[in-house]
Amino acid sequence: QKEVEQDPGPLSVPEGAIVSLNCTYSNSAFQYFMWYRQYSRKGPELLMYTYSSGNKEDGRFTAQVDKSSKYISLFIRDSQPSDSATYLCAMSPASGTYKYIFGTGTRLKVLA
Amino acid sequence: DVKVTQSSRYLVKRTGEKVFLECVQDMDHENMFWYRQDPGLGLRLIYFSYDVKMKEKGDIPEGYSVSREKKERFSLILESASTNQTSMYLCASYLQNTEAFFGQGTRLTVV
Repeated sequence: QKEVEQDPGPLSVPEGAIVSLNCTYSNSAFQYFMWYRQYSRKGPELLMYTYSSGNKEDGRFTAQVDKSSKYISLFIRDSQPSDSATYLCAMSPASGTYKYIFGTGTRLKVLA
Repeated sequence: DVKVTQSSRYLVKRTGEKVFLECVQDMDHENMFWYRQDPGLGLRLIYFSYDVKMKEKGDIPEGYSVSREKKERFSLILESASTNQTSMYLCASYLQNTEAFFGQGTRLTVV
């Protein structure tokens, strides 16, 4: 079993839809949770960064962490064609490692 | 504006060639990483370095080596390129438990 599982998609939605992207994980030591967006042929860029449990909102994006279920989500409201990209989750424990563990990424297509 | 810069966007090399991929960051980060990214496999860690002249193997180090002579520069070396090393290579740097910054990626094709 992988430490981080992420549905690869592709996920196609109409413009304006609410998108839900998810990752599950097995390591209860993970404390830092991130979402990256990667456009085709580009490097990933950070979208959201959260520590421990709870919600964080930034514009149309909301990140949720449920540590009891070992489940994190990224919600995109009013999705736009420019949101079409691959979304990767990443996580790490609070200490003891220099490594982040990445999900495989979910490819999202927002149709105009 | 923080930056991680990779020396090439696209490279085509022949089987058996020695290949150097360079990465430079301007954020004074201790930690630097090399990943390769393949469809369906996500980001796989090749090597990382947490200090000058220090290096650690990642999950798939075979066929690769690295060099970190200066804090800002981390080089990935393919000793003898093979076709199964055709991939997207991504360099990243970060302070522990903070945002990772990625370069734009190098798409390497080995023919």
